[in-house]
Amino acid sequence: NAGVTQTPKFQVLKTGQSMTLQCAQDMNHEYMSWYRQDPGMGLRLIHYSVGAGITDQGEVPNGYNVSRSTTEDFPLRLLSAAPSQTSVYFCASSILAGVPEQYFGPGTRLTVT
Amino acid sequence: GQQLNQSPQSMFIQEGEDVSMNCTSSSIFNTWLWYKQDPGEGPVLLIALYKAGELTSNGRLTAQFGITRKDSFLNISASIPSDVGIYFCAGGAATYNTNAGKSTFGDGTTLTVKP
Repeated sequence: NAGVTQTPKFQVLKTGQSMTLQCAQDMNHEYMSWYRQDPGMGLRLIHYSVGAGITDQGEVPNGYNVSRSTTEDFPLRLLSAAPSQTSVYFCASSILAGVPEQYFGPGTRLTVT
Repeated sequence: GQQLNQSPQSMFIQEGEDVSMNCTSSSIFNTWLWYKQDPGEGPVLLIALYKAGELTSNGRLTAQFGITRKDSFLNISASIPSDVGIYFCAGGAATYNTNAGKSTFGDGTTLTVKP
């Protein structure tokens, strides 16, 4: 049982490039979410999904897209990277949308130059 | 949106000392959670609280859900070097509310333990 996995671990992008951050969980969790963590700040919710085929915006969704075609996978797409998107990105999952306890992945450290 | 004020921002303590940190909000939360983040890792859940006034322990960790539902406290007794990390509080909706997963996180307390 690998839990929540994220790839890549590190990524450097140039401004304007696009890329997809991968997230997968093998716990059959319904709820998945993406957060960004900036220095000295807490975790801010980008997008979330309460089940396959259902996604919604969080607190800071601009510049990011998500999809949830399967229960296991929840990729985060950066459409046109900007320096303001330099951050550490965490994917998390919870067994159900109505259960607050979340399991986090190890994170992706993204730098946009 | 809802905001959590977590304090202190950082702590430098000697091994063996007790630690206290807290989280306050102007909004009511129906669950309070405490996570720990080790350097280079994702947060890991330490304690979850579901009821106002609840006091819950997990080994050397004790957390309380404030009576007003606007605050929570985490205490660590007899600290050890592996307690080093960032501790986050998170406030959320009631369990089984479909918004329960959309927790609001505090900015974290960075703990350094000197051997």
